[in-house]
Amino acid sequence: AQSVSQHNHHVILSEAASLELGCNYSYGGTVNLFWYVQYPGQHLQLLLKYFSGDPLVKGIKGFEAEFIKSKFSFNLRKPSVQWSDTAEYFCAVNALSNQGGKLIFGQGTELSVKP
Amino acid sequence: KAGVTQTPRYLIKTRGQQVTLSCSPISGHRSVSWYQQTPGQGLQFLFEYFSETQRNKGNFPGRFSGRQFSNSRSEMNVSTLELGDSALYLCASSLLPGLADEQYFGPGTRLTVT
Repeated sequence: AQSVSQHNHHVILSEAASLELGCNYSYGGTVNLFWYVQYPGQHLQLLLKYFSGDPLVKGIKGFEAEFIKSKFSFNLRKPSVQWSDTAEYFCAVNALSNQGGKLIFGQGTELSVKP
Repeated sequence: KAGVTQTPRYLIKTRGQQVTLSCSPISGHRSVSWYQQTPGQGLQFLFEYFSETQRNKGNFPGRFSGRQFSNSRSEMNVSTLELGDSALYLCASSLLPGLADEQYFGPGTRLTVT
């Protein structure tokens, strides 16, 4: 069965530290990849997405992610986090087939940034 | 442009009852998908509707069903509620079908089954 694994359940960083959140998926076919973020008290919203082309994608608020097909990974990065980045981050994979799409989410990583 | 709206926001039901949740997508969006979010299982895909047709379904029992109307509004129904159905139910809409596009999420309906 398809699955998405996020390596860290809770990450605590100080402001200005660099961030990397791991995401691996298991599916051998074509995928679309997403990172969503949920700020406290707000809806889930899209950070960035990868469909095809350049495997390094840039999203909002200085986030970027790199798709490494050989490793089935789509890790999220940010060079310098801010207190306002405190949120829960979800990696999601759309496993495409001739039956349509099926969006599979990772368990989420809670990021706490200390001011 | 108004976002995805879900009603009701909170709901308390008793085991064995049934419940209907409603979702209004962003204007112009014809794809609506539903997700269940729980602390233990995380976010799980329930089903997707596009143009009043269910395109795909997650691994949930038949007690979970849905439909979409001609104005793209969608409802999901859970019959014979169980304690384990307590969860946040999220609706998302998008322009394109097949979940091959950005999903815009609503605030969710918090269902508590006692």
